[in-house]
Amino acid sequence: QKEVEQNSGPLSVPEGAIASLNCTYSDRGSQSFFWYRQYSGKSPELIMFIYSNGDKEDGRFTAQLNKASQYVSLLIRDSQPSDSATYLCAVKPPNTDKLIFGTGTRLQVFP
Amino acid sequence: KAGVTQTPRYLIKTRGQQVTLSCSPISGHRSVSWYQQTPGQGLQFLFEYFSETQRNKGNFPGRFSGRQFSNSRSEMNVSTLELGDSALYLCASSPGWQETQYFGPGTRLLVL
Repeated sequence: QKEVEQNSGPLSVPEGAIASLNCTYSDRGSQSFFWYRQYSGKSPELIMFIYSNGDKEDGRFTAQLNKASQYVSLLIRDSQPSDSATYLCAVKPPNTDKLIFGTGTRLQVFP
Repeated sequence: KAGVTQTPRYLIKTRGQQVTLSCSPISGHRSVSWYQQTPGQGLQFLFEYFSETQRNKGNFPGRFSGRQFSNSRSEMNVSTLELGDSALYLCASSPGWQETQYFGPGTRLLVL
């Protein structure tokens, strides 16, 4: 079992729709969870982080964390073509500063 | 505030050579981590430094090494390059231990 798992996609959604990206992790002791966006040929850009169970909203983005089920999700409302990118889920295991990344989900938003 | 900077941005080397990559963290950030990104393996952790001390190391051979200086700048070195070392090498900095990491633009290394 991989430490952090994501569906590689592509996930295709029409412009204006909600895109839902999911991620599961194996280490129950993990405390910090991150979503990064990576455009082709660029480096990862932080979108959101979440530490506590529940939802965290920032503009069009909502991160959801369920530690009991060991999953993290990212919702993108009113998706735009400029949101088309690979979304990387990252988990920080306990007592370390390293990030464990999933393989990323490629999102395509079509007009 | 300026972001994380990495030099050089692109590099072409031949097998057997060695390479040194440099990373300057965001001003005030004391923690630096390095990652390798390849199409096949994705983003993999190399090592992390905090206050000039290596705190953690990923599962890479000893040919990969790094260090951090007193001004928090960091370098990583790869000796005896192999074709499989071709990758995007990313540096990330954070203000301190267990805080959010911000990535630099990366150094794209091609080994021929």
